[in-house]
Amino acid sequence: SQQGEEDPQALSIQEGENATMNCSYKTSINNLQWYRQNSGRGLVHLILIRSNEREKHSGRLRVTLDTSKKSSSLLITASRAADTASYFCATLAGGTSYGKLTFGQGTILTVHP
Amino acid sequence: NAGVTQTPKFQVLKTGQSMTLQCAQDMNHEYMSWYRQDPGMGLRLIHYSVGAGITDQGEVPNGYNVSRSTTEDFPLRLLSAAPSQTSVYFCASSYVAGVSGSETQYFGPGTRLLVL
Repeated sequence: SQQGEEDPQALSIQEGENATMNCSYKTSINNLQWYRQNSGRGLVHLILIRSNEREKHSGRLRVTLDTSKKSSSLLITASRAADTASYFCATLAGGTSYGKLTFGQGTILTVHP
Repeated sequence: NAGVTQTPKFQVLKTGQSMTLQCAQDMNHEYMSWYRQDPGMGLRLIHYSVGAGITDQGEVPNGYNVSRSTTEDFPLRLLSAAPSQTSVYFCASSYVAGVSGSETQYFGPGTRLLVL
């Protein structure tokens, strides 16, 4: 079963606007990661946040984690047309072997120039 | 480094045929995984390996076999292809960084499989 549920399923914005995507999960986690997938290609790792962290930044990306609500959000600031892609959250469940990430269904982001 | 490579890029099979999807990584990563991606389903884990000679099942292992005789290679075998196995297959490798235990997965470009 899918560990992560993402919201919204699709998001359409104008260049320069901020994009926020949310991810909820079901079990306790070791860490939560966000990946990006351009159409027809493999996934690329964006950012990882550990279960004892609440917020993390990387360039125009900001990730928050609320373990009490079992949810995370990814904020992309000042979006660009090149940010158009699918974004997935992935969790490593607590006590689980490495190599065993569980992915959400993804959010399709379209940034219009 | 080539990273994670997968072959073939695209394959058409008839129901009942068998085939092997190849995956190789040149980063000396300990962990390797196979996922399938179907529309609206995200990625689902098929099998994974924590090192040479050690494999285990993921969420959807039925109809697939794996082996890991070397650190570099992690082939996925379809024993008797079925239309339900039509999907895009991704291989990934990862390592665990330092005392934080943070794992980042590196993905191959994928293999598109169509089973008729």
